[in-house]
Amino acid sequence: GAGVSQSPRYKVAKRGQDVALRCDPISGHVSLFWYQQALGQGPEFLTYFQNEAQLDKSGLPSDRFFAERPEGSVSTLKIQRTQQEDSAVYLCASSSGDRGSNQPQHFGDGTRLSIL
Amino acid sequence: AQKVTQAQTEISVVEKEDVTLDCVYETRDTTYYLFWYKQPPSGELVFLIRRNSFDEQNEISGRYSWNFQKSTSSFNFTITASQVVDSAVYFCAPPLYSSASKIIFGSGTRLSIRP
Repeated sequence: GAGVSQSPRYKVAKRGQDVALRCDPISGHVSLFWYQQALGQGPEFLTYFQNEAQLDKSGLPSDRFFAERPEGSVSTLKIQRTQQEDSAVYLCASSSGDRGSNQPQHFGDGTRLSIL
Repeated sequence: AQKVTQAQTEISVVEKEDVTLDCVYETRDTTYYLFWYKQPPSGELVFLIRRNSFDEQNEISGRYSWNFQKSTSSFNFTITASQVVDSAVYFCAPPLYSSASKIIFGSGTRLSIRP
């Protein structure tokens, strides 16, 4: 389809394992965002890419979280040595404008991560 | 610092009733946009509307309407003749370019429409 695609839809991992979450944005979208959404809460910003450049990673909760977008399209959010508090839905969004524009964000369905 | 407040945590109404969701956005920016997003049970956040601070005219799209008042920093969303499919969490959010680097979502309002 033409929307933002995230995979996997669900991920279960044991505490201490590493996980990788993928986001395929809308083709041609300059901006890409990652969010973490805990149950019953609004999305919380993690990091922002403009093309391949990671311009803002101030929302990443620890150095166990790492994101990349090497060719300015697909992005991967990696969490190392997962902990139970990492359990959440991880949302990816893309936008046709850069951070200085007022274009809306288009979201994927999210990846629901459960750490046992 | 900017702040988005959605004071209504949960609202439940019977189908066909009208319902208004409140949003207050506090910011030092003199010009800005605000957005509303809908998150149905399936989880995907869906963009509904974008309005700018210069335009205080009501916007109507089918059963949805929005009222923006800069003087009170409020950007309210009304659903007329609600339907069960309107059941979702609704988020009010500031724009990408705001003075803070983070995009801050409000806590959302969970709307339940009972048949």
